[in-house]
Amino acid sequence: EIVLTQSPGTLSLSPGERATLSCRASQSVSSSYLAWYQQKPGQAPRLLIYGASSRATGIPDRFSGSGSGTDFTLTISRLEPEDFAVYYCQQYGSSPGFGPGTKVDIK
Amino acid sequence: QVQLVQSGAEVKKPGASVKVSCKASGYTFTSYGISWVRQAPGQGLEWMGWISAYNGNTNYAQKLQGRVTMTTDTSTSTAYMELRSLRSDDTAVYYCARDKGPVVPAAMDVWGQGTTVTVSS
Repeated sequence: EIVLTQSPGTLSLSPGERATLSCRASQSVSSSYLAWYQQKPGQAPRLLIYGASSRATGIPDRFSGSGSGTDFTLTISRLEPEDFAVYYCQQYGSSPGFGPGTKVDIK
Repeated sequence: QVQLVQSGAEVKKPGASVKVSCKASGYTFTSYGISWVRQAPGQGLEWMGWISAYNGNTNYAQKLQGRVTMTTDTSTSTAYMELRSLRSDDTAVYYCARDKGPVVPAAMDVWGQGTTVTVSS
């Protein structure tokens, strides 16, 4: 079973700043089967990135994903007020699972 | 538009079963899978399992094996998730999501609104 670790647990930033979120896997994630989701309080998650670096439909280009193997990154180039939320990575190989999440809050 | 509409909130006693439905519309149901994800109060996301709406194959989280069954009814484009032998720690919001993988689990691009299941004596 692949275990995902996300860091930091909380990221305190101001609007306009750059956010860099990390997701590390305990084993290599095959074929970059890694996704990122955003979740706001009281809402269902929203797919941002799949295949490690492909943006989902309708996702602004300030969101980008990178990485392969065991190390993956979600970057938000300039934080907008609506970007303050919790972000989860997910691997969807043979036994899918989520990381514990990174909360991006307003500094 | 593409949407998934889930059944309403449930309150169950320990040991009972719950069956949540997820009705899809706006896309070809059998071209995708359906994944189920739950979220306990104040906690993160937990992947429960996946079913192919194409061929009915399933892939369940190991910790739920034997207690969960996922099915689909292609005639009504509806997916179902049944969880048996409920315990208090099954209290959560249960989400269905359209899975981009029709033959293996993949990323989840459309989500239902969530169904709150409360297990309490």
